[in-house]
Amino acid sequence: AQSVAQPEDQVNVAEGNPLTVKCTYSVSGNPYLFWYVQYPNRGLQFLLKYITGDNLVKGSYGFEAEFNKSQTSFHLKKPSALVSDSALYFCAVRDPYGNNRLAFGKGNQVVVIP
Amino acid sequence: DGGITQSPKYLFRKEGQNVTLSCEQNLNHDAMYWYRQDPGQGLRLIYYSQIVNDFQKGDIAEGYSVSREKKESFPLTVTSAQKNPTAFYLCASRANNYGYTFGSGTRLTVV
Repeated sequence: AQSVAQPEDQVNVAEGNPLTVKCTYSVSGNPYLFWYVQYPNRGLQFLLKYITGDNLVKGSYGFEAEFNKSQTSFHLKKPSALVSDSALYFCAVRDPYGNNRLAFGKGNQVVVIP
Repeated sequence: DGGITQSPKYLFRKEGQNVTLSCEQNLNHDAMYWYRQDPGQGLRLIYYSQIVNDFQKGDIAEGYSVSREKKESFPLTVTSAQKNPTAFYLCASRANNYGYTFGSGTRLTVV
């Protein structure tokens, strides 16, 4: 089955420092990868996706992600974190064998410290 | 603006009562999904529907039921058989590029 792993439960970073949220994937075939962000008591918001093309994908709110096929990773990055980036971040991969459902990781809580 | 609307935002259920959560979309998406989210946990799939008049069980379907009579609507009923229904419920629909659009959620509490 297609799956993603988000190895860290929580990521703490000082405001202004680079932010990285890790995601590794396991798929058969070409991966379709996504990042979503969730603020408290809200639905998930789309940040960015990789389907094909450049390995560096730019998304909303200054976030980007790098697709690395050899390491099967799709880490989310932001050069300079803001306090408002504190939220729950989910990585997801399309499962073509599961009716194209998205398989979500368990989520990473990001805490940006002022 | 196109999007997904979930209602109500907050819902209180008495023991032994069935309640229905509404999910409506105007994105013209075929596939729709219901997820449950518990504190500190990820998303767990309850039911999904790929087309009108068709739906499949997800990973935690017991105690829940759905219908898909219209493309725009995918209501979720939490039945009295669901023994621990207190959670945050999220509805989503899927675009042709496989990305999901989520509603803003319904927080269900048993009183």
